[in-house]
Amino acid sequence: DTGVSQDPRHKITKRGQNVTFRCDPISEHNRLYWYRQTLGQGPEFLTYFQNEAQLEKSRLLSDRFSAERPKGSFSTLEIQRTEQGDSAMYLCASRGGRGENEQFFGPGTRLTVL
Amino acid sequence: AQKVTQAQTEISVVEKEDVTLDCVYETRDTTYYLFWYKQPPSGELVFLIRRNSFDEQNEISGRYSWNFQKSTSSFNFTITASQVVDSAVYFCALSELKHQLTFGKGTKLSVIP
Repeated sequence: DTGVSQDPRHKITKRGQNVTFRCDPISEHNRLYWYRQTLGQGPEFLTYFQNEAQLEKSRLLSDRFSAERPKGSFSTLEIQRTEQGDSAMYLCASRGGRGENEQFFGPGTRLTVL
Repeated sequence: AQKVTQAQTEISVVEKEDVTLDCVYETRDTTYYLFWYKQPPSGELVFLIRRNSFDEQNEISGRYSWNFQKSTSSFNFTITASQVVDSAVYFCALSELKHQLTFGKGTKLSVIP
């Protein structure tokens, strides 16, 4: 399978705990995106990497959120001190180089904060 | 600021009917890209089509067709002879030069056998 993969697929945590999600993009894609999707809404942009550089962050990304992409391969998204409002589907997408504008999405990580 | 509006929240059709999903967008950029994605009940977003702002040619792919009209800032999606497998939430999205996608709220399509 050469698509975007995400791990874990589901995460249930208690309020105040830290959680970390992983995304493995399509291997030749140098651009990687994180989005958040809540029930009944479209995905909302969180952050964007080109190779290992984090080039854009949404205002949705509070100080409790941090994302990394060491070596420009996989990426991690960490949420510290989770709140119930963080419950959502976290989607990762990757995209190839110039001229390839479509983003391909992974299956998502569904986070439930109790 | 960019914005995508999908006014239809939910649509139900009987199998084999044609259905059109509406999408209206707002952007200040002259170069932009429009997309449609399908999200079946399994949850994974599936890419369907991309159009560039400088290419208004309509496109047909099997039972799917797309009508892009810059004059009305619309990018509508028609499914001909709908099937039960078409049941899903469909998202229209826009990206400018900054790359990230701005999505509409989606239209939930239910095709009844």
